[in-house]
Amino acid sequence: DAGVTQSPTHLIKTRGQQVTLRCSPKSGHDTVSWYQQALGQGPQFIFQYYEEEERQRGNFPDRFSGHQFPNYSSELNVNALLLGDSALYLCASSVFGEQFFGPGTRLTVL
Amino acid sequence: DQQVKQNSPSLSVQEGRISILNCDYTNSMFDYFLWYKKYPAEGPTFLISISSIKDKNEDGRFTVFLNKSAKHLSLHIVPSQPGDSAVYFCAASPSNSGYALNFGKGTSLLVTP
Repeated sequence: DAGVTQSPTHLIKTRGQQVTLRCSPKSGHDTVSWYQQALGQGPQFIFQYYEEEERQRGNFPDRFSGHQFPNYSSELNVNALLLGDSALYLCASSVFGEQFFGPGTRLTVL
Repeated sequence: DQQVKQNSPSLSVQEGRISILNCDYTNSMFDYFLWYKKYPAEGPTFLISISSIKDKNEDGRFTVFLNKSAKHLSLHIVPSQPGDSAVYFCAASPSNSGYALNFGKGTSLLVTP
């Protein structure tokens, strides 16, 4: 059984560009959450999707948006990239309770 | 505002001894607490959790203690093994229904032979 998968593994963008990150949840999981982990920090909650709707949102600007597809996979979009958006982006899936994390996408903004 | 705090960035313990990792929280609404372990280049892996109706939960070598009045929890690893060397994150949530997790900054544990 494949766990949570994320793509791409690494990504380099320049300021002002837009980026899309992808996540496939663990089999049987219907809820996807996205977290941002800056260097030396713990993961920070961005938002959560359930039944293709944003169910919860953390303290992130509107430049961060997402989508969940009927097969429960999800995308995270970030517009107008800033240097401070450089981080590890983690996706977690769950059906109830414990969240299972993917390996993350390392985004570098130059 | 950091609602979950892990005040020790690092900890070094000898193999076979006890490792104690500490975590404090400020939000009284937190009802469910988890510990995750993270190796480099991997996502966090769930280790153990505890609900606020309990004060202790054990799973093999890992025990989590919760002191609600002090808003403090700790993770005990006994005996510590070199493979336990990783970054440990404490996380909290208002419920165990899979809602947003609030993480601390992590404690890097090194277990030396």
